Amino acid sequence: GAVVSQHPSRVICKSGTSVKIECRSLDFQATTMFWYRQFPKQSLMLMATSNEGSKATYEQGVEKDKFLINHASLTLSTLTVTSAHPEDSSFYICSAQTVNTEAFFGQGTRLTVV
Amino acid sequence: GENVEQHPSTLSVQEGDSAVIKCTYSDSASNYFPWYKQELGKRPQLIIDIRSNVGEKKDQRIAVTLNKTAKHFSLHITETQPEDSAVYFCAASMEYGNKLVFGAGTILRVKS
Repeated sequence: GAVVSQHPSRVICKSGTSVKIECRSLDFQATTMFWYRQFPKQSLMLMATSNEGSKATYEQGVEKDKFLINHASLTLSTLTVTSAHPEDSSFYICSAQTVNTEAFFGQGTRLTVV
Repeated sequence: GENVEQHPSTLSVQEGDSAVIKCTYSDSASNYFPWYKQELGKRPQLIIDIRSNVGEKKDQRIAVTLNKTAKHFSLHITETQPEDSAVYFCAASMEYGNKLVFGAGTILRVKS
């Protein structure tokens, strides 16, 4: 299957700082990228849908000013967690898709805010 | 919007037995139903999927059935092995390229 690379895989940051997570489709051009958050022992919850060149669509309850999404090209989307707090600690996963393919997931980023 | 419910939340089976996980969805517009296996700290892996124009699909020890009228679909794993132990998620979507709505997950433990 296609490869989606997410970086970093783990990050620890201080409360109040910002963290950027990258999601790259390595061997295909993704029509759409999705960002999910997964708390321990819970399911994947969609945060936002991102299309290249347009503003992301955020799910209800997700603060767009806190979780900044940039989708600069068909192979790269970034999620920036701004002014991170301990409650933002979670596993963040991206997926990249086209209209003709299944979802391909990145390996996830474990964010710990201390 | 779409809501997906998944049962059971945990399932323990003896090696060699079958395991069944069930999901229901609410949006009749959903047409694509994938199942994922996720190991701790890893990305979800697609194990099988089904579209609404098909009632059943099988891939070796894994099968999925779909009842579109009743809005439910199920994952069947036969001859379970210890390496099948993981968390399994069902999901629903309108189609490829659309967002996935996940069930709550099922922790499957296969005892040897």
